[in-house]
Amino acid sequence: DTGVSQDPRHKITKRGQNVTFRCDPISEHNRLYWYRQTLGQGPEFLTYFQNEAQLEKSRLLSDRFSAERPKGSFSTLEIQRTEQGDSAMYLCASSLPLGQGARETQYFGPGTRLLVL
Amino acid sequence: AQKVTQAQTEISVVEKEDVTLDCVYETRDTTYYLFWYKQPPSGELVFLIRRNSFDEQNEISGRYSWNFQKSTSSFNFTITASQVVDSAVYFCALRSGAGSYQLTFGKGTKLSVIP
Repeated sequence: DTGVSQDPRHKITKRGQNVTFRCDPISEHNRLYWYRQTLGQGPEFLTYFQNEAQLEKSRLLSDRFSAERPKGSFSTLEIQRTEQGDSAMYLCASSLPLGQGARETQYFGPGTRLLVL
Repeated sequence: AQKVTQAQTEISVVEKEDVTLDCVYETRDTTYYLFWYKQPPSGELVFLIRRNSFDEQNEISGRYSWNFQKSTSSFNFTITASQVVDSAVYFCALRSGAGSYQLTFGKGTKLSVIP
């Protein structure tokens, strides 16, 4: 059983450019989450999907951020017109559907580290 | 609003010493879930334990043990006979049992185990 995977692992971009990150959850996990972690801080919730439906969005998710999960499998997180303040680790997690064991536990991927110059 | 406080920013211990990482949480929910995650230098968050609010039984897993006390809103984590491989940042997290699935994390405690 493979874990959550994220691509790319590292991204360096110039201010104003758009970037897109991909997350592949653990198979059979229908819930998928995005978090952002800045240096010295704990992860902060951005958004959450159940299958293809985006059910929760944080106030941290500004208009420049958009997330999709078109077929209920992998997800993408796009940041438009990046700013230096967007530099962070972007973490993806997934969890089991309701009615299955350990459904409350989120399993995290290795993250995508973004640096905006 | 939910909040998780990990007052210890950094802890250093010598190998084989025991160490306790503190976690205090705030929530208005009667049903909630508490978690501990480990983040080694590689960056990936590794799940350690989940505890439901209605289960106050303490748990031991090898060298790890967890003490959940609802009366003091604490969920502390003890590593017995620490090893260098335990060096990492440890995060305590809280999830509401009332609809929201987002995790609220503390700021983490960086543990350094010195050989």
